[in-house]
Amino acid sequence: QTVLTQPPSASGTPGQRVTISCSGSSSIIGGNTVNWYQHLPGAAPKLLIYTNDQRPSGVPARFSGSKSGTSASLAISGLQSEDEATYYCASWADSLSGRWVFGGGTKLTVL
Amino acid sequence: QVQLEQSGPEVKKPGASVRIPCKAPGYSLSGSSRHWVRQAPGKGLEWMVNFDPGDGMTVYGQNFDGRVTVNEDTSTDTAYMELHSLTSDDTAVYFCALGGQMDVWGEGTTVIVSP
Repeated sequence: QTVLTQPPSASGTPGQRVTISCSGSSSIIGGNTVNWYQHLPGAAPKLLIYTNDQRPSGVPARFSGSKSGTSASLAISGLQSEDEATYYCASWADSLSGRWVFGGGTKLTVL
Repeated sequence: QVQLEQSGPEVKKPGASVRIPCKAPGYSLSGSSRHWVRQAPGKGLEWMVNFDPGDGMTVYGQNFDGRVTVNEDTSTDTAYMELHSLTSDDTAVYFCALGGQMDVWGEGTTVIVSP
């Protein structure tokens, strides 16, 4: 059972802005921070956003994250063909156990 | 940037165990939190376990408590994850990830469980 809900798919054309949502609950997301990961087939997943809205060094500024209440969003502006990948949100399952959970993933297609 | 090395594919029988290494050449893993995450065919990422050397605590995902062992060989700076009592449902790519935020990932080890 996936406790973080993401749309299974999203799409956009080059140059567009796309947002991907991640919906949780008061105990998941509501009380914790959210990370986002980019995963291309056959490759290592990549940390894109951590602590809701922070970008690791090397991640382009056109990737941004936000959180409000029990939901989080990943926005990609100036969409490029290389952004075609599956995007996962992740958060602690609760603030005490240290367990993490992933969303089901959103496959982004660049048309 | 740290890079993680993982091993080649493994084929195991049901009921067996598999031990998967994770190494970071030129980097000491001993001070870094490490996670293990898997992806079954056609499915999304599933978090399995984390070991934090800072407090010595191991935290297990709901589906893995009692079936996963994590340890390390400090002489070779290699972390290991061992999954026991394999079934066909354990057929997946297994990733190691380093850092409290799962900052850096390996490219995964494919495990196939087949009679």
